[in-house]
This record gives sequence, C-alpha cells and structure tokens, in this order.
Amino acid sequence: DTEVTQTPKHLVMGMTNKKSLKCEQHMGHRAMYWYKQKAKKPPELMFVYSYEKLSINESVPSRFSPECPNSSLLNLHLHALQPEDSALYLCASSQGGWTDAMNTEAFFGQGTRLTVV
Amino acid sequence: EDQVTQSPEALRLQEGESSSLNCSYTVSGLRGLFWYRQDPGKGPEFLFTLYSAGEEKEKERLKATLTKKESFLHITAPKPEDSATYLCAVRPRGDAGGTSYGKLTFGQGTILTVHP
Repeated sequence: DTEVTQTPKHLVMGMTNKKSLKCEQHMGHRAMYWYKQKAKKPPELMFVYSYEKLSINESVPSRFSPECPNSSLLNLHLHALQPEDSALYLCASSQGGWTDAMNTEAFFGQGTRLTVV
Repeated sequence: EDQVTQSPEALRLQEGESSSLNCSYTVSGLRGLFWYRQDPGKGPEFLFTLYSAGEEKEKERLKATLTKKESFLHITAPKPEDSATYLCAVRPRGDAGGTSYGKLTFGQGTILTVHP
C-alpha cells in the first residue's frame, strides 16, 4: 500500500479565515513533505519533516504553518491567505532517514485544491 | 543549484506511435532520479526510480533509462490512456548538514497527448 490521504479534496476560504489541510500515511515513512503546485507548473517544495521535526522550510511565508503531530500525520495550518495562494497543495512521504540509502522515492497524495477568495 | 530540464514541453502522438521524453539534469551528486505521471487535478503518481548511469526500469509500455547527464522515458505503442503530464525529479546526495537529502527538484514536465 503506497497511499497518502489528503483532506479535504477541495477548500474555498476567505482571506480572513483560518483553515487546516490534513495528510495521513501508514507506510511507516519518516519523511513527509508539503508541496504547492500552480496550474501548468511543477510542484514546488514548501516544507520537509523528518522524524517529526521540521528539517526544511523553503522560505515559506508565515501565513502557512506546518505541524507534524506524529509520524503518520502532517497538517498545514492556513491563516490570512492571499488570492495568489490558490493552488493544489500536495502532501508526500518517503522512507526518510539520516542516510542517503534511506532516501528514496516519494509518494504523493491526491492533493487539496485550495481557492482563496 | 540543482536543475532539471524536460523536453519537449508537449508531445502529440498517434496511438501506437512510439517516442521518447527527455530529462536533462544538473545536480551536485545524484542520489536518485524519479519519474512521475500526473493526471489533471491529481497528485503525481510514482513510476520509476533510477540510481546510477546505465540503469533501466520497465513497466508495461514505459521504459526509463539513465546516463550521467540525462534520463529518457521511452513509450512503446502508446494508448490514449497514457495521456498525462510526465514529471522528472532528482534528489541530491545528502550534504554535511543532512538537509538537502529531503529535496526533490522537479522539471517542468512533458504534456503527452495520445490520439486514437
């Protein structure tokens, strides 16, 4: 099973709202990722968690706040977003680890289509 | 800085017409090169991992190959259901700080359309 589950599938929010995106995997993966994808563009890395600790933040604005409550769950908290933040938000996971040998392919969820109005 | 360039940007084929997609990369030590398929509005679906030059992987009508500078995704006798965007991504070897291992750098993708 290589399933990464994201909820909700679609989200419409106002610029003053607070919402959260959720991601879950049960593959025992220890690395989890958030990517942002605009139409006709490749995914852009936002955050990487390894062993529930934030290891990479690609200079993402503070209105995006990631959280990793445990090894299976990853959240992305949204606050005061702008219309230009509308995009497909993708969660991914990989085996993860502190050695190269453990860092292999990443499996993606189906994404949350976010629209900011 | 790691770079991935895919060509062509778009490819139209007739059903049964074989062709290849190209992925050229520049990375400071390659840990792995990955091919994904993405349908509109969906997340990327993992296809292949290639680790070293000379390696080949096959799955149904798809075959991926790797050299020191590029990778090819060969599509043999494609069908309309093969229509999708094909993404190539690279992962560098870990740096001393242990942070770069987490990064996947994607190319812009090739939009493949297969007509019946």
